[in-house]
Amino acid sequence: AQSVTQLGSHVSVSEGALVLLRCNYSSSVPPYLFWYVQYPNQGLQLLLKYTSAATLVKGINGFEAEFKKSETSFHLTKPSAHMSDAAEYFCAVSRGVNDMRFGAGTRLTVKP
Amino acid sequence: NAGVTQTPKFRVLKTGQSMTLLCAQDMNHEYMYWYRQDPGMGLRLIHYSVGEGTTAKGEVPDGYNVSRLKKQNFLLGLESAAPSQTSVYFCASSYWVSGRAMYNEQFFGPGTRLTVL
Repeated sequence: AQSVTQLGSHVSVSEGALVLLRCNYSSSVPPYLFWYVQYPNQGLQLLLKYTSAATLVKGINGFEAEFKKSETSFHLTKPSAHMSDAAEYFCAVSRGVNDMRFGAGTRLTVKP
Repeated sequence: NAGVTQTPKFRVLKTGQSMTLLCAQDMNHEYMYWYRQDPGMGLRLIHYSVGEGTTAKGEVPDGYNVSRLKKQNFLLGLESAAPSQTSVYFCASSYWVSGRAMYNEQFFGPGTRLTVL
């Protein structure tokens, strides 16, 4: 079985500050990992994905995530937060057609 | 391309009423999914389909039925709505990437907000 844990249901940062959203996974085999973003009243949009190539993955809007097998983590970062980054972020792990598992989500607030 | 579209966007039902949510995709994807999103619980898979004419149960299938009569459409039905089915419903479609890596990448619709009174 595999699962995803997102540490912190709410994260608040100041504009220009570092964004760090934490995701840990449990999987009996090497997983494929995803970060999705959901803006208010919208569907989920793929930010980036890890598919066993490079461990540091770059995504859209300046976000990146690093796969660390020893820590079973896939944390999402952005060097400098922008007001438009305010949204809910979901980490997900997948091993097949019917086994995409999502974390509970982290709501990011960006203060001016 | 419109991507994944969902109809309706909002709906209010009374307990015991029935309704059908429609999902359509124009990306020729084989796989389609229905999820529900509840606060603090992320997305949970209700049903999914790996091709036209096939459906399967996900994590939380009770109280829902689905049909995939055409490749581009995936319908979610509630036969007798209950307040516990108040949620936001998302449809997704995906293709299977095979080769050195094998995974599926899902594309989501905008969601349907359902309230059952």
